[in-house]
Amino acid sequence: EAGVTQFPSHSVIEKGQTVTLRCDPISGHDNLYWYRRVMGKEIKFLLHFVKESKQDESGMPNNRFLAERTGGTYSTLKVQPAELEDSGVYFCASSQDRIGGYTFGSGTRLTVV
Amino acid sequence: AQKVTQAQTEISVVEKEDVTLDCVYETRDTTYYLFWYKQPPSGELVFLIRRNSFDEQNEISGRYSWNFQKSTSSFNFTITASQVVDSAVYFCALSEAPYNTDKLIFGTGTRLQVFP
Repeated sequence: EAGVTQFPSHSVIEKGQTVTLRCDPISGHDNLYWYRRVMGKEIKFLLHFVKESKQDESGMPNNRFLAERTGGTYSTLKVQPAELEDSGVYFCASSQDRIGGYTFGSGTRLTVV
Repeated sequence: AQKVTQAQTEISVVEKEDVTLDCVYETRDTTYYLFWYKQPPSGELVFLIRRNSFDEQNEISGRYSWNFQKSTSSFNFTITASQVVDSAVYFCALSEAPYNTDKLIFGTGTRLQVFP
């Protein structure tokens, strides 16, 4: 079984530019999550999709972040325009079971300069 | 408020030593779940264990064991006879019962380095 795939693995962009992160969950997993870890801090929840619907987006920091999940398959997280404080590692996870035993991807390390 | 505290930022041990990673949590709910994840150098977060708040039995899986104590709000993780491959960042996490969502509240992680 393929795991959760995220790309790119690394991205370096300038402040003000746009970046789109992609996550391919495990096939058949209805639940998809985005988390973020800013340097040295805890991993924080961003949002949760159930199929193509946003179940909870309470962790999205501001309206510069836009997440979509087309047809309940892969998901994208767009940051526009990027700011320096957006730098960090963005993790995607998926699960069939909704009680936390997620499978995480390897993350996308975003650096905004 | 929900919170997870991993007071140990970094631990270094020599191979074959036992090591315990501490996790203390705060929650208002009586129903919740606790987790441990491992982040090896490759970067992904690997699920290790899930424990619900009604099950205080300790769990052992090979060299790994977990001690859940509601009285002290702790969910500690012990690695027995540590190996170099155990070197990683370990995260403890909490989830309240999934009413509308099951987001995880993570601690800041403990970096474990096991030296040969």
